[in-house]
Amino acid sequence: GNSVTQMEGPVTLSEEAFLTINCTYTATGYPSLFWYVQYPGEGLQLLLKATKADDKGSNKGFEATYRKETTSFHLEKGSVQVSDSAVYFCALNWNSGNTPLVFGKGTRLSVIA
Amino acid sequence: GAVVSQHPSWVICKSGTSVKIECRSLDFQATTMFWYRQFPKQSLMLMATSNEGSKATYEQGVEKDKFLINHASLTLSTLTVTSAHPEDSSFYICSAPDPVWGQPQHFGDGTRLSIL
Repeated sequence: GNSVTQMEGPVTLSEEAFLTINCTYTATGYPSLFWYVQYPGEGLQLLLKATKADDKGSNKGFEATYRKETTSFHLEKGSVQVSDSAVYFCALNWNSGNTPLVFGKGTRLSVIA
Repeated sequence: GAVVSQHPSWVICKSGTSVKIECRSLDFQATTMFWYRQFPKQSLMLMATSNEGSKATYEQGVEKDKFLINHASLTLSTLTVTSAHPEDSSFYICSAPDPVWGQPQHFGDGTRLSIL
């Protein structure tokens, strides 16, 4: 079946450090891939997405590239800020849209000043 | 952009009562909405797919009689937790597909339910 595996947290970084959160997926066909962010006490916000192989999604300094050969969609940011502290979810679904997202377990990021 | 509103954001009630959570698509129509449940420090688990004008499709292990879903209009889906008990305490989130492209999913802000 379809699944998403992301690195276990929590991840604690100092401000301005480099961030990588690994995400790999198992799916038949070619799903769309997403990163969502959840700030404390809030719902989910779309951070970035990619809909086909080699696409790079980017937003707010975060980037992720859809790698079909390694079935990966790792999230990166060159210099994290305290305000980036949140839980990050990798997810996939199909282009039809009328299908629910399949989520990874989430990775909690804490950035300290 | 497409906005999904969820209400209430937080509810505390006594064991045995029923609680209704609303999920509205504010500026678009949604024939399909999804309901998820999130336990503390865990991921989102799909509970059911809400279909306008027809019965909801529940995931395996989700009690239909406990979690009643009604999608009576193209902009509103409701989740009613019937005879709630402390083990039903959780964070419930709804989503709707983007009206133009089908994705991404647009999420409500979630409802934190605490049953005493």
